[in-house]
Amino acid sequence: GENVEQHPSTLSVQEGDSAVIKCTYSDSASNYFPWYKQELGKGPQLIIDIRSNVGEKKDQRIAVTLNKTAKHFSLHITETQPEDSAVYFCAASRGDEKLTFGTGTRLTIIP
Amino acid sequence: GAVVSQHPSWVICKSGTSVKIECRSLDFQATTMFWYRQFPKQSLMLMATSNEGSKATYEQGVEKDKFLINHASLTLSTLTVTSAHPEDSSFYICSAVTGGENTIYFGEGSWLTVV
Repeated sequence: GENVEQHPSTLSVQEGDSAVIKCTYSDSASNYFPWYKQELGKGPQLIIDIRSNVGEKKDQRIAVTLNKTAKHFSLHITETQPEDSAVYFCAASRGDEKLTFGTGTRLTIIP
Repeated sequence: GAVVSQHPSWVICKSGTSVKIECRSLDFQATTMFWYRQFPKQSLMLMATSNEGSKATYEQGVEKDKFLINHASLTLSTLTVTSAHPEDSSFYICSAVTGGENTIYFGEGSWLTVV
């Protein structure tokens, strides 16, 4: 089955700087890669996703890049703000809608 | 984005009783919903796939007789934890798949505490 690895597990960034979280996946048939933000005690919130027919997608301060050859994808958050502090999960799916999640990254924005 | 609602947000029940958690897609129809379990500081673990009008598909190691799933309509799936025990205490989260691009949205989660 699919295996998704996520790094780093924790990340502290000065407010205003950029944050990058990286994930690798094992199943070359995976074609959908969403990123979720989870705040304490709440369900995951979809923040951006990318499908295998594109290499990069951007939404304001958030961007995701995908390298299918290397089987890795990354989340980039620019101009970080305190409200960006949360746990971020990457996930992969091969189109059957079953998501395999990474282990999560706890992002802390330092004011 | 699409809205998925769970109820209750938190519940406390006595050991040996059963508790039902509802997952509703509020602004779209979902033929497929998923149920996850999450322990503190850990990732989400898929428990089962809930298919409208048919039996749920359970992941390996998940007891189907303990975690009953019913997906009776295109907007509602329920998870019933039967004969709950303290080790069943966890954060349970559902997700639903929208039509079209098949984007997956999550509910707010339900905290279950079995005492």
